[in-house]
Amino acid sequence: VQLLESGGDLIHPGGSLRLSCAGSGFTFKNYAMNWVRQAPGRGLEWVAVVSGSGSTAFHAESVKGRFTASRDNSKDTFFLQMNSLRGEDTAVYFCARGATTVDPFDHWGQGTLVAVSS
Amino acid sequence: EIVLTQSPGTLSLSPGERATLACRTSQTVSSDLLAWYQQKPGQAPRLLIQGGSIRATGIPDRFSASGSGTDFTLTISRLEPEDFAVYYCQLCGRSPPFIFGPGTTVDLK
Repeated sequence: VQLLESGGDLIHPGGSLRLSCAGSGFTFKNYAMNWVRQAPGRGLEWVAVVSGSGSTAFHAESVKGRFTASRDNSKDTFFLQMNSLRGEDTAVYFCARGATTVDPFDHWGQGTLVAVSS
Repeated sequence: EIVLTQSPGTLSLSPGERATLACRTSQTVSSDLLAWYQQKPGQAPRLLIQGGSIRATGIPDRFSASGSGTDFTLTISRLEPEDFAVYYCQLCGRSPPFIFGPGTTVDLK
């Protein structure tokens, strides 16, 4: 199992960014996928989850209306579209796999850094 | 919304010692909804325990977890050098959000 995030960057407040997470070594469509972030020196914050089929998605209140998680099972890839970025969104963003949308996260990527600053 | 607290914030121990980490929930939850993760500096978290007490694949048996109601515990029976890290509890198995505790750092005394 391998999860590889990409797309992190330095971005100005108010800007947009799309993160990607490529999965390999497992049947991607059979697993829910999550985004979890970690601000510098801080703990873990769950951001979003999408079911294996992509039909169900949930987002944390802190990002609802600004971030959208989605997936393309034909490409084994999971996305996070981030709009209206704020300084407090600065974090390492991890993608993580779960057996279902409510299961623990059994495999994680190494993370990609998003820095929001003027 | 349920809140998770972890104590102590930092635990300073020596290799070979026993580590006992606590996770408290603000409401009674079923023990099988608790998971525990380990995170080392610069690395992604790693799942240690799921379903309250079930070790994840490849996790050594010096790691164990228990608890009920609002009080849960992760125990490392004999600390190995590679066990010095931050440990998080997480509440899952319910509808989102999937709350993490603030973490306990186990560092070298």
